[in-house]
Amino acid sequence: IAGITQAPTSQILAAGRRMTLRCTQDMRHNAMYWYRQDLGLGLRLIHYSNTAGTTGKGEVPDGYSVSRANTDDFPLTLASAVPSQTSVYFCASSDSKTGTSGADTQYFGPGTRLTVL
Amino acid sequence: GQNIDQPTEMTATEGAIVQINCTYQTSGFNGLFWYQQHAGEAPTFLSYNVLDGLEEKGRFSSFLSRSKGYSYLLLKELQMKDSASYLCAVRDSNYQLIWGAGTKLIIKP
Repeated sequence: IAGITQAPTSQILAAGRRMTLRCTQDMRHNAMYWYRQDLGLGLRLIHYSNTAGTTGKGEVPDGYSVSRANTDDFPLTLASAVPSQTSVYFCASSDSKTGTSGADTQYFGPGTRLTVL
Repeated sequence: GQNIDQPTEMTATEGAIVQINCTYQTSGFNGLFWYQQHAGEAPTFLSYNVLDGLEEKGRFSSFLSRSKGYSYLLLKELQMKDSASYLCAVRDSNYQLIWGAGTKLIIKP
């Protein structure tokens, strides 16, 4: 079944540890995104990639890094986790090119629930 | 700054109609989206508006007024499975989505 997968589903992490959240899509979408969702706040964009080989910073990029070596994978790394990074992380993708018009709907993975202690 | 406002929570009765409002102030406008998110699940796409007016899709309709910075999502013939959060998002001048905090809709029998 086509879609987006994320791993792990949930994780408890000690502060200061390094962690990579994985995201893979099989829809051959150009663009991919990482969001965090916190209670009472809207989804906030961490990093994005308009196409393989390029990445950009979103609204809340500090403490996170991404890479986009190929079309399908877009891992998110926390170099040294802190408690404020406790959140639900969603990966999304869309069939987008920079500056495109149209709906360009974003499709979301199931999320990773991360707790940093 | 950029801002999307939605009511935090609404309650409605099964079989009734409910309207969820969204007002926005963003740097540029390139479309407005509504997503549905059940508890513990991912957001799923419901509707997209880029021109003023009403878009109807089955039991769900979405309205946009760009001059007023306003949209609403109308849900008819409410069913218990419609209990979820409804997220409003605006695509800004950088083609990034700015998200509201969501409206939690509670359906009572």
